[in-house]
Amino acid sequence: GENVEQHPSTLSVQEGDSAVIKCTYSDSASNYFPWYKQELGKRPQLIIDIRSNVGEKKDQRIAVTLNKTAKHFSLHITETQPEDSAVYFCAASQRGNKLTFGTGTQLKVEL
Amino acid sequence: DAGITQSPRHKVTETGTPVTLRCHQTENHRYMYWYRQDPGHGLRLIHYSYGVKDTDKGEVSDGYSVSRSKTEDFLLTLESATSSQTSVYFCAISDQGMDEQFFGPGTRLTVL
Repeated sequence: GENVEQHPSTLSVQEGDSAVIKCTYSDSASNYFPWYKQELGKRPQLIIDIRSNVGEKKDQRIAVTLNKTAKHFSLHITETQPEDSAVYFCAASQRGNKLTFGTGTQLKVEL
Repeated sequence: DAGITQSPRHKVTETGTPVTLRCHQTENHRYMYWYRQDPGHGLRLIHYSYGVKDTDKGEVSDGYSVSRSKTEDFLLTLESATSSQTSVYFCAISDQGMDEQFFGPGTRLTVL
């Protein structure tokens, strides 16, 4: 089955800096790659996603890039703010909408 | 948030007892999923449903069963709860032809 690895497990940045979280996947048939943000005690919230026919997607301060050849994708957050502090999960879907998640990155934005 | 509710939101039970968690949606979405979330493991798929009475196993299905008798309800049953099933359980839904999954608020289950 699919295996998704996510790095780093924790990330601390200064407010205003950029943050990058990286994921790799194993199944070349995977074609959908969402990113979720989860605040403490809350549900995971979809923040951005990308499909295999696209190399990059942006939404305001967040962007995702996909390298199908290398089977990795990344989340980029620019101009980080304290409210960006949360756990971020990447995921990959190979068929039938079954998502395989990474183990999460705890992002802390320090003032 | 999408119209997804889970009940109960918190439950403490004892080893060996049966437990049923409920996921209810008002979106009329075809697909429903049960995940468990544990530190260091992210979210792992337990079972999913692709229609009424149509279900299939995920990667961590041992010790769990599911049922879906109506579009809006997806039940997760632990036949005989064990301490290793202490976790936070999330339900998710997605619509036919759409990749996006939306999560419910979660159920925190503690098995003593």
